[in-house]
Amino acid sequence: EAGVTQFPSHSVIEKGQTVTLRCDPISGHDNLYWYRRVMGKEIKFLLHFVKESKQDESGMPNNRFLAERTGGTYSTLKVQPAELEDSGVYFCASSYGGPNQPQHFGDGTRLSIL
Amino acid sequence: GDSVTQMEGPVTLSEEAFLTINCTYTATGYPSLFWYVQYPGEGLQLLLKATKADDKGSNKGFEATYRKETTSFHLEKGSVQVSDSAVYFCALRGGANSKLTFGKGITLSVRP
Repeated sequence: EAGVTQFPSHSVIEKGQTVTLRCDPISGHDNLYWYRRVMGKEIKFLLHFVKESKQDESGMPNNRFLAERTGGTYSTLKVQPAELEDSGVYFCASSYGGPNQPQHFGDGTRLSIL
Repeated sequence: GDSVTQMEGPVTLSEEAFLTINCTYTATGYPSLFWYVQYPGEGLQLLLKATKADDKGSNKGFEATYRKETTSFHLEKGSVQVSDSAVYFCALRGGANSKLTFGKGITLSVRP
């Protein structure tokens, strides 16, 4: 079984540009989560999809971030325009079933804003 | 709100040394507690978990006991190996929420 896959593994862009991160969850997993770790700090929750619907987006930092999950399969996280403080590692996780099911994480996308 | 506090790192140990990594939490209700590990170049992996007070999670020689009275979930291993070198994250999931709340993580380096 393929795990959670994230693209790209690393992205370097300049401030003001746009970047789109992609996450392919494990097949059949209805729940998809985005998290972010800024250098040296906690991994913080961004949002949670159940299928194509946003269940909880309380962690999204501002309106420069847009997450989508069209068709309830893969998800994208767009940052537009990118700012220096957006640098960090963005993790995606997926799970099947209720909230008590384990979340399976991808390897993350390291985003560097210059 | 919910929060997780981990001891400051990094931690460097010699092979076969005893490991303790402290973790305390603040949460309403009865959270589930987790330890995740990130090996170099890889994603987060669930190491162990405990879902109620006095439960002990264990995996790969690591153990942690859910202590409600001290709101703690310290990670221990009796004899670490070089292959245990990684970043360790303590986390909780509170109540009906499915999102995870993480600590800052601690880097463990084990030297031969």
